[in-house]
Amino acid sequence: GAVVSQHPSWVICKSGTSVKIECRSLDFQATTMFWYRQFPKQSLMLMATSNEGSKATYEQGVEKDKFLINHASLTLSTLTVTSAHPEDSSFYICSASKMTGAAYEQYFGPGTRLTVT
Amino acid sequence: KNQVEQSPQSLIILEGKNCTLQCNYTVSPFSNLRWYKQDTGRGPVSLTIMTFSENTKSNGRYTATLDADTKQSSLHITASQLSDSASYICVVSANSGGYNKLIFGAGTRLAVHP
Repeated sequence: GAVVSQHPSWVICKSGTSVKIECRSLDFQATTMFWYRQFPKQSLMLMATSNEGSKATYEQGVEKDKFLINHASLTLSTLTVTSAHPEDSSFYICSASKMTGAAYEQYFGPGTRLTVT
Repeated sequence: KNQVEQSPQSLIILEGKNCTLQCNYTVSPFSNLRWYKQDTGRGPVSLTIMTFSENTKSNGRYTATLDADTKQSSLHITASQLSDSASYICVVSANSGGYNKLIFGAGTRLAVHP
């Protein structure tokens, strides 16, 4: 199997506070994990690529000081939204990369709904 | 520019009917094409994955086709069920710097009515 979990599944926080989202690969080790953001009725947008033991690679337009990513182990990556604002409200989805056959396959987590009030 | 376009944007069908979703892409260098099903408020779940040399792949009532010459793919759903109501996302993988980068389509929102 290739199961990816996220915690929490939903969170409400006040503007100005920070929120941490966890992404875990439950039954495999993932050197690389990805963080996506999805706004209503839109597709997933890659925010950053997280490699175990090294700094994350952020996509253009994503503030690395606002979205802190830590990939301290082969089964856990965390995304911390710092000083959250209402415009950060979104659905955050992670994926973990696993070699399947001859290619790397991304397995997605169930997502975390963030609402900033 | 790497792009994946899907049509229609949304679709309503009656339970038991068939439907076909379309995906056109301009992605280079092409690695593979995947179709995902995403239920509302959930993460995407893989339905099929096809490489350059594969023309068709089935997964139960889902059948995907790929025409690498015209850069088109389709997802055919047979005998639709209410649980098929979801967004279907076409994702093309581009080989970039030794690893695959996923290019997402905007998805087709399918509603199956009784």
